[in-house]
Amino acid sequence: AQTVTQSQPEMSVQEAETVTLSCTYDTSENNYYLFWYKQPPSRQMILVIRQEAYKQQNATENRFSVNFQKAAKSFSLKISDSQLGDTAMYFCAFMKVDQGGKLIFGQGTELSVKP
Amino acid sequence: EPEVTQTPSHQVTQMGQEVILRCVPISNHLYFYWYRQILGQKVEFLVSFYNNEISEKSEIFDDQFSVERPDGSNFTLKIRSTKLEDSAMYFCASKGTADSGNTIYFGEGSWLTVV
Repeated sequence: AQTVTQSQPEMSVQEAETVTLSCTYDTSENNYYLFWYKQPPSRQMILVIRQEAYKQQNATENRFSVNFQKAAKSFSLKISDSQLGDTAMYFCAFMKVDQGGKLIFGQGTELSVKP
Repeated sequence: EPEVTQTPSHQVTQMGQEVILRCVPISNHLYFYWYRQILGQKVEFLVSFYNNEISEKSEIFDDQFSVERPDGSNFTLKIRSTKLEDSAMYFCASKGTADSGNTIYFGEGSWLTVV
């Protein structure tokens, strides 16, 4: 069975600074997807970024980038130039590449961006 | 941008009553999901649905739960006899094929309170 672990329950960062959220996972699969979802106080689940395990290049989306270390089973999220609107709970998630494709979530990291 | 829509956004129900949560997935998607998030906890998979049948379900998804896609557009979750511990945010989600990116998109959630 797959597991996803986020070891930082809470983090804070000053506006305009950079912050890195950690995620590790455990799987025997070779092909899979990894995601970061953002959940603001509205509680909607918003996709931030995704990474295909077969791709060596780290995914980037504007101010968001990942550091994907397949051998170490690590998938961290870096937020550059943090903005107040980045304040949210961030969930790391794993998905096998199969027809069903259910997501396995970590426990979440609550990020506060301070002015 | 296409989105997953859910109704109601919030429902309060008496213990033992039946509840139906409704979802309209993204129109060309083929895989549909329900997830649950108890307040302060991580998001948990309940069930996946493909080709008009359940493809996978978790241990949470017991005989009190059922899903249906009655008319080709709506996707519903029914809880037959609600319990206090069913109080949670319920997220509907959908996914296209691998060719369309294999990403799961979430609705805004239905917050269920059982009293």
